[in-house]
Amino acid sequence: GAGVSQSPRYKVTKRGQDVALRCDPISGHVSLYWYRQALGQGPEFLTYFNYEAQQDKSGLPNDRFSAERPEGSISTLTIQRTEQRDSAMYRCASSGHLTGSEYNEQFFGPGTRLTVL
Amino acid sequence: GQNIDQPTEMTATEGAIVQINCTYQTSGFNGLFWYQQHAGEAPTFLSYNVLDGLEEKGRFSSFLSRSKGYSYLLLKELQMKDSASYLCAVRDRGYSSASKIIFGSGTRLSIRP
Repeated sequence: GAGVSQSPRYKVTKRGQDVALRCDPISGHVSLYWYRQALGQGPEFLTYFNYEAQQDKSGLPNDRFSAERPEGSISTLTIQRTEQRDSAMYRCASSGHLTGSEYNEQFFGPGTRLTVL
Repeated sequence: GQNIDQPTEMTATEGAIVQINCTYQTSGFNGLFWYQQHAGEAPTFLSYNVLDGLEEKGRFSSFLSRSKGYSYLLLKELQMKDSASYLCAVRDRGYSSASKIIFGSGTRLSIRP
């Protein structure tokens, strides 16, 4: 596709269930970022990848959160044993190359709205 | 620690000029971004500064002073469609050009006729 896509767009789950959120970056983009965004706030960094390597996961709130990008393209953010405080918009972004001007711009996906009941 | 400060809300008049300020304190610095986010939509890229000075792009300009940890976004000839949140973000120090990016809370700009 032309842009970053995320699925599902909306996810409602019960407390204690596991959820997997998918991000499909722009084809060929090297870097992929995961953010969480509360209403009225800026995106909160969770983790990012260059190719398939997870470069920084310091923003993951706790060990219930994990992410992978096994083939350097599609990424999955998994939340185990969900809690109500996990309810938020989860956004993915990708950017192009590691050098040159193209890497400067991040393209954001539409996000997944997660609601934990 | 890492901290990015910008005003929570601003109001301006259609056709006027507005300046949105951003100050930052981060463990490293490898560039500053401005993004625009309309309500219910994803952020979209506006500008990137890595060197001191002013970058102009149409009605929007962005300024950076690394020694002061300060940036501003200048919007000219304001239009109603400019009503949105404006996010300041800093690229942290990284061994490569692609590294961790920290966002501020955003400035919600309202344009009145």
